[in-house]
Amino acid sequence: SQTIHQWPATLVQPVGSPLSLECTVEGTSNPNLYWYRQAAGRGLQLLFYSVGIGQISSEVPQNLSASRPQDRQFILSSKKLLLSDSGFYLCAWSGGRVDEQFFGPGTRLTVL
Amino acid sequence: KQEVTQIPAALSVPEGENLVLNCSFTDSAIYNLQWFRQDPGKGLTSLLLIQSSQREQTSGRLNASLDKSSGRSTLYIAASQPGDSATYLCAVAHYGQNFVFGPGTRLSVLP
Repeated sequence: SQTIHQWPATLVQPVGSPLSLECTVEGTSNPNLYWYRQAAGRGLQLLFYSVGIGQISSEVPQNLSASRPQDRQFILSSKKLLLSDSGFYLCAWSGGRVDEQFFGPGTRLTVL
Repeated sequence: KQEVTQIPAALSVPEGENLVLNCSFTDSAIYNLQWFRQDPGKGLTSLLLIQSSQREQTSGRLNASLDKSSGRSTLYIAASQPGDSATYLCAVAHYGQNFVFGPGTRLSVLP
């Protein structure tokens, strides 16, 4: 069966510090991978998606970036965090863009 | 641009009641619709996926229906239990495009 992992589970970072969140998927190959952000009182916002190694599409302009160095690894990064980057970050995978999506446990990021 | 709404935003019911959650979308030319539940502080759990060629899907006490022509889907929960308390989200996708999510309905089932 497939499993999706995210770490860390929680993170508190000062404004201006760098960020690296990691997501890995087990039990499948060549998945589509997604990064979402869920801010308090707001809906789920798609940040990035990837259909293959090194292929990243950005949905929202921001100070975040994503990378996919391996087939089942997806990384969300920032060089300098802003207060507005606080939120709940979710990674998801699917077999194709319109196929059933499966989510990881999420990372709670607080920027102070 | 596809927009997804969910009504009501919050719902509180006594245990044992049957209930219906609603999802509406503005562009009816969808390919798939997926229902999720989210417990506080957790990720989303997939409940049901309905393809555009289907009218409904069932899983245990859950039944989801899809009416593409009217741009609506309903999630029916039979004999609700306190463990059903969570936020329920729907999401729709057009062919070749990513899913668009609704804001969710927060459900509380009181013992």
